[in-house]
Amino acid sequence: NAGVTQTPKFQVLKTGQSMTLQCAQDMNHEYMSWYRQDPGMGLRLIHYSVGAGITDQGEVPNGYNVSRSTTEDFPLRLLSAAPSQTSVYFCASRPGHPSAPLHFGNGTRLTVT
Amino acid sequence: ILNVEQSPQSLHVQEGDSTNFTCSFPSSNFYALHWYRWETAKSPEALFVMTLNGDEKKKGRISATLNTKEGYSYLYIKGSQPEDSATYLCAPPNYGGSQGNLIFGKGTKLSVKP
Repeated sequence: NAGVTQTPKFQVLKTGQSMTLQCAQDMNHEYMSWYRQDPGMGLRLIHYSVGAGITDQGEVPNGYNVSRSTTEDFPLRLLSAAPSQTSVYFCASRPGHPSAPLHFGNGTRLTVT
Repeated sequence: ILNVEQSPQSLHVQEGDSTNFTCSFPSSNFYALHWYRWETAKSPEALFVMTLNGDEKKKGRISATLNTKEGYSYLYIKGSQPEDSATYLCAPPNYGGSQGNLIFGKGTKLSVKP
């Protein structure tokens, strides 16, 4: 039972490089989201999606793009990496109802030098 | 964006001690309150989702209560064990915003010493 799968687990980028963090879930969840975790800041919402073809911005969307072409996949794109994007990124999903708990992936640790 | 406060920020207890911490959130437009447990180097895992005023949930030695009228929830751990060491997060859905996105508090970090 895979749940929410994130790849890669670790990544080092140079300033200005672009990359995509992958997230896939096999639970047929409608809602998917990306959070970043920084020391002293807690988990902050970057982007979210309530279904295939629908995405919207969270608290800290600048510098990131998302798309949702299928129910299963929700990739996060860094367009031009900056050191401020050094963080741990978590993808999470849940069924459509907001009272349902989030299921988190194992995280991607990104360092931008 | 909702303002979610958790206290204390950190807590150090001895094995066997019972402990509790607080989550405060705006009481207006309340929908639900989530609690998550987050162990170091792992990902957050859901403990409880609470929706009703006066609700009490229990999972083993961990329990939680909810007061929606005054906007707080308590998490209790009875007889703490070293394996309870983790950060405990609370999160109400931002229902004033869109789609019930969870807005997380900064968490209470619990360390249980053997």
